[in-house]
Amino acid sequence: AQTVTQSQPEMSVQEAETVTLSCTYDTSENNYYLFWYKQPPSRQMILVIRQEAYKQQNATENRFSVNFQKAAKSFSLKISDSQLGDTAMYFCAFMTGNQFYFGTGTSLTVIP
Amino acid sequence: KAGVTQTPRYLIKTRGQQVTLSCSPISGHRSVSWYQQTPGQGLQFLFEYFSETQRNKGNFPGRFSGRQFSNSRSEMNVSTLELGDSALYLCASSPGGLIHEQYFGPGTRLTVT
Repeated sequence: AQTVTQSQPEMSVQEAETVTLSCTYDTSENNYYLFWYKQPPSRQMILVIRQEAYKQQNATENRFSVNFQKAAKSFSLKISDSQLGDTAMYFCAFMTGNQFYFGTGTSLTVIP
Repeated sequence: KAGVTQTPRYLIKTRGQQVTLSCSPISGHRSVSWYQQTPGQGLQFLFEYFSETQRNKGNFPGRFSGRQFSNSRSEMNVSTLELGDSALYLCASSPGGLIHEQYFGPGTRLTVT
C-alpha cells in the first residue's frame, strides 16, 4: 500500500525566515512522482513543486526547494524568505500508476 | 484558458438523499480525477476518468460513482448520503495520459444533515 505521512499538523514561521515541512512516504514502486501542493484559506489548491523519482537533483522553484532522499523515502519542502502569502495548508503527495496519494497536510502560518 | 470549474460550489443535503456534482476541466484536458477532502484525513482519491473511461478507482463504497462525457466534463454521484459524506469534493484535470500535471478546481462543499 502507498502511504504519505506529514508528521507536523501545524507550523509557524516569522516573515522572512526559513521553514522546512516534512514528508515521508512508503511505496514499493520505483517509478513515481512527488509533489507539494499549497491550499490557501478558501482558495484553490495549486502545485508548488514536483519531483520525478528518477531524478537525483532536488527540484527548486524560486523560494521553494525540496530535499529528496529516495532511500529514506523522505521528501521535505523548504520555504526560504517566508512571505505572508505563504500562509496555507501544504499537502505532500505521491503519484504512481496514475493515482495520487496525499498526506493529511501541514497548516503553515507566516507571522508578520 | 479558463480553469477547472465545479458546480455547485455549496450544497446542503439530507441523509438518505443523493447528489450529483459537476466538473468542467480545462479546455483540451482529457483526464478528470475526483477527491474527497475532510479535516484530518487530507485528500482521498475517489476515481479518475480518461476519455470517458474510468481508469482508476479509490477505496470508496459503491455509493460513490462517476462518469465522463465526450466533452471531458465529469459528474460524480453519491447515493444514499450519510453524515460522514460531508466534505469538500475536489476535481482536478490533466492534459493527457499521465496525470502528473494536475490542476484543481475550487471544490464543492457538501454538507449532509
